[in-house]
Amino acid sequence: DARVTQTPRHKVTEMGQEVTMRCQPILGHNTVFWYRQTMMQGLELLAYFRNRAPLDDSGMPKDRFSAEMPDATLATLKIQPSEPRDSAVYFCASGPNLAGGADTQYFGPGTRLTVL
Amino acid sequence: GQNIDQPTEMTATEGAIVQINCTYQTSGFNGLFWYQQHAGEAPTFLSYNVLDGLEEKGRFSSFLSRSKGYSYLLLKELQMKDSASYLCAVKEAGTALIFGKGTTLSVSS
Repeated sequence: DARVTQTPRHKVTEMGQEVTMRCQPILGHNTVFWYRQTMMQGLELLAYFRNRAPLDDSGMPKDRFSAEMPDATLATLKIQPSEPRDSAVYFCASGPNLAGGADTQYFGPGTRLTVL
Repeated sequence: GQNIDQPTEMTATEGAIVQINCTYQTSGFNGLFWYQQHAGEAPTFLSYNVLDGLEEKGRFSSFLSRSKGYSYLLLKELQMKDSASYLCAVKEAGTALIFGKGTTLSVSS
């Protein structure tokens, strides 16, 4: 049963600290997405990659957020320094990027981040 | 950019039928997705429409009208476990999915 995995599942940190979230996409999927979900804003796209290359990170605050794919099995999202307004659930999703646009995304369980 | 609208909340009773509407404004439309998200869990894929018409999958059906920028998700024979948030998402060519804010459905007995 192939799944997207994310670590950690929960993270509580203090303002100013660095936070690193990790994601392992489903094997064989070549698109990876990072989303942030809050009650107020819903599910917002932060960044996405195809074949490990960043295609769109316009939704990400560049001054403190960075997203990378060191290899095909690992995607990372870093926040440095973290702020209380970054408190949210961060989801990673991967997709097979099928021809014709049926780009179904499969979501990981999320990282619930609380910045105090 | 894209603008996706769906009702914030809906309520229904077990055994009933409910229709959740979604309207969108976009360019280069390349498909519409519906996802289900239970509280505290990740969104899970329900359906995909790229052509006009109705796609049926068990108790769930999804309809699309591209000319009207309109879709709906139809849930039949509602069960308590259908209480969840339902997210409409639109894909433009060459971009990732953009999600609406979701409709929270509460099913009561």
